[in-house]
Amino acid sequence: QQQVKQSPQSLIVQKGGIPIINCAYENTAFDYFPWYQQFPGKGPALLIAIRPDVSEKKEGRFTISFNKSAKQFSLHIMDSQPGDSATYFCAARRETSGSRLTFGEGTQLTVNP
Amino acid sequence: NAGVTQTPKFRILKIGQSMTLQCTQDMNHNYMYWYRQDPGMGLKLIYYSVGAGITDKGEVPNGYNVSRSTTEDFPLRLELAAPSQTSVYFCASSTGTGSREQYFGPGTRLTVT
Repeated sequence: QQQVKQSPQSLIVQKGGIPIINCAYENTAFDYFPWYQQFPGKGPALLIAIRPDVSEKKEGRFTISFNKSAKQFSLHIMDSQPGDSATYFCAARRETSGSRLTFGEGTQLTVNP
Repeated sequence: NAGVTQTPKFRILKIGQSMTLQCTQDMNHNYMYWYRQDPGMGLKLIYYSVGAGITDKGEVPNGYNVSRSTTEDFPLRLELAAPSQTSVYFCASSTGTGSREQYFGPGTRLTVT
């Protein structure tokens, strides 16, 4: 059962564009939603995370928007750069699951110069 | 401070062979995880551990075994390798409190032919 659904699978934008990656979840017990960034040949690394008590969180050029009623959250990358080209994973965690994460399928982002 | 290290980086196995993927962390994290990453499938949890001597199954444990004799090490054993186990394997670790951010190793690319 896929509990976190991510789209699109791949995304190509021009430098300066604003790619948006969307995730939807099913389990209302999830209470922590991180995004991980993965460069080719590397392991994923935490990029930004949000809890459901806020609707938006910004860190630099990266913003998470959260819609609790729709059970959806999204990642926006402002003024995207070629160095942002990577695979992005959304994830979700239940407080009672310890530190275990359920990951989305991943989005391969390419930012062209 | 090396973080999470994994060996080997690459390995080719023949069907039916066995091997152990090594994972070591130097952050004194109690929690450790093994994931496999397949194209378009995201990261699937194989096994995890909340401390030395304690392990539990994740989403896709069949064909794998783990042990956790020390805080630092969390090896993953593949018995009777099958082509379906061709994947990239990531080890991760985290604390059990606070942000519980997961820190990933660089991965092991395994091919079973």
